[in-house]
Amino acid sequence: ETGVTQSPTHLIKTRGQQVTLRCSSQSGHNTVSWYQQALGQGPQFIFQYYREEENGRGNFPPRFSGLQFPNYSSELNVNALELDDSALYLCASSGPTDNEQFFGPGTRLTVL
Amino acid sequence: DQQVKQNSPSLSVQEGRISILNCDYTNSMFDYFLWYKKYPAEGPTFLISISSIKDKNEDGRFTVFLNKSAKHLSLHIVPSQPGDSAVYFCAATIPEYGNKLVFGAGTILRVKS
Repeated sequence: ETGVTQSPTHLIKTRGQQVTLRCSSQSGHNTVSWYQQALGQGPQFIFQYYREEENGRGNFPPRFSGLQFPNYSSELNVNALELDDSALYLCASSGPTDNEQFFGPGTRLTVL
Repeated sequence: DQQVKQNSPSLSVQEGRISILNCDYTNSMFDYFLWYKKYPAEGPTFLISISSIKDKNEDGRFTVFLNKSAKHLSLHIVPSQPGDSAVYFCAATIPEYGNKLVFGAGTILRVKS
């Protein structure tokens, strides 16, 4: 059974640029959630995708957007990057009846 | 508005002793609670969970206690081992609202040998 994978591991961008982060969910999981973890804080919920539809969104602006594909993998897109977007971005997947979510290793984004 | 709070940023415990990590929440609609452990450069790893219909759940060395009236939960690790040194996050969710996890800020546990 393959766990949750994310790419890339690290990324450096400059202010105003756009970024795409990728996530492959664990086998058998059809729900993917994205979280942002700033330094010294707990992960903050960005949004969740279930069967290719957005299924809940946290307090993040519209320049944070996402996609889920038929194989349940997912992308997180962030436009017009700001310095405060520097964080660890975590993807988590879960099965249709799971309360637990299983996390990938994260993508460390640095915005200069 | 911090709905889940972990008021102790760090905890240091001797190997073999008990570690107790605490978590408080404010939203009475939360009805499922989870603990995650995180090592540097890794994602959070699910540890143990508890439903609001229970007040205790055990899994090996790990026990989670829930006090709904006090809106408080705790994670007990007995005996503590050096490999338990990590950041521990408490999280809460309302499953019928889509399983969005609300996390606390985390507690750094150091187990000294």
